[in-house]
Amino acid sequence: NAGVTQTPKFQVLKTGQSMTLQCAQDMNHNSMYWYRQDPGMGLRLIYYSASEGTTDKGEVPNGYNVSRLNKREFSLRLESAAPSQTSVYFCASSGNGYTFGSGTRLTVV
Amino acid sequence: AQSVTQLDSQVPVFEEAPVELRCNYSSSVSVYLFWYVQYPNQGLQLLLKYLSGSTLVKGINGFEAEFNKSQTSFHLRKPSVHISDTAEYFCAVSEGSGGSNYKLTFGKGTLLTVNP
Repeated sequence: NAGVTQTPKFQVLKTGQSMTLQCAQDMNHNSMYWYRQDPGMGLRLIYYSASEGTTDKGEVPNGYNVSRLNKREFSLRLESAAPSQTSVYFCASSGNGYTFGSGTRLTVV
Repeated sequence: AQSVTQLDSQVPVFEEAPVELRCNYSSSVSVYLFWYVQYPNQGLQLLLKYLSGSTLVKGINGFEAEFNKSQTSFHLRKPSVHISDTAEYFCAVSEGSGGSNYKLTFGKGTLLTVNP
């Protein structure tokens, strides 16, 4: 019953460093999403992928790139991290319902 | 574009009291509506959802919500809260498109604190 798995759970980066957040789902869902959560802001959509091979920008895409590697995996890349990207990142997938991962807490110093 | 307004950022209540968390949305098309709960340092858990049909939706943990199309509201209610209901609650909307791809727009959240 893995659902949506995100790695890593915690990460500290220095300004300018790059990293990739990994997300995998085992529910055979077509659609996958990346959200960020900031205090007092709720969750905001960064990018989404309606199906394998397609990706689209959400509300706050600047500073991020994504890859839908296959139907299971959807990664989020920060090419040059900035303190404004300090946040909790949630991956999700949807099929018959929406399932969230447990989140990645990222701090950029 | 769709948007969600949660009218209260914080709601303190005493244990066993009733509570209502308010949510209003705007959209030019039909919508799906959701309430999620987030306990401290955890992910999001679906409380309930409205897709179609009866406007009164019952969810987990004794929560219910009523979809009011004329008021564009989807308020969450519980008749008697417990200490364990202390958490942040998020209302979310998706424009109804059928299928399995629906982007969620979230409200900013309401922190429910239940005091003994």
